[in-house]
Amino acid sequence: DIQMTQSPSSLSASLGDRVTITCQATEDISNYLNWYQQKPGKVPKLLIYDVSILETGVPSRFSGSGSGTNFTFSISSLQTEDLATYYCQQYYHLPMCSFGQGTTLEI
Amino acid sequence: EVNLVQSGVEVKRPGESLRISCKGSGYDFTRYWISWVRQMPGKGLEWMGRIDPSDSYVNYGPSFQGHVTFSTDKSLSIVYLQWSSLRTSDTAMYFCAREGPVAYDSWGQGTLLIVSS
Repeated sequence: DIQMTQSPSSLSASLGDRVTITCQATEDISNYLNWYQQKPGKVPKLLIYDVSILETGVPSRFSGSGSGTNFTFSISSLQTEDLATYYCQQYYHLPMCSFGQGTTLEI
Repeated sequence: EVNLVQSGVEVKRPGESLRISCKGSGYDFTRYWISWVRQMPGKGLEWMGRIDPSDSYVNYGPSFQGHVTFSTDKSLSIVYLQWSSLRTSDTAMYFCAREGPVAYDSWGQGTLLIVSS
């Protein structure tokens, strides 16, 4: 099974900061990598798919990059509403998919 | 508008059986797989498996194979997640999610399951 490791597990930042989260896969997953945001008590929401493509309506301060086994998720200028836990997800080996353990962002 | 609506909170005893549901609307229900995702208290997202509503073909995650059963009633646009014998460790929030072309593009609101003696 492909394992996804995110770092850090938690992150404290200030409004306006640039924030970066990494996600590493145990094997090459090409560009089959998505990012989700889950606000406290809420349902996960797709932010980015195929490494770097923003879902419709997602603010441009969110971005993603990477390929193969190493991926990065960034928020260019942190806003209050970005308080959430962020998960990467690989779907290279369908039907199996797997999520990273999550990164909790504190402001 | 695509919408997935799940059944409500459940409180059960260990050993009891349960079936929870996820009803889709706003799209052709048989065209998209539905996955189930578990979130234990204070923990992350875990993929449990998926079902094709058009023919009931299922894939189970290794950690869930043999303990849960997925089914569907495509005439009602509903998929089900079922347990025959609940454990306290099944206490969690359960989400259904629609598999779009590349990602889970729509999620149910979640069903909270509490298993306690």
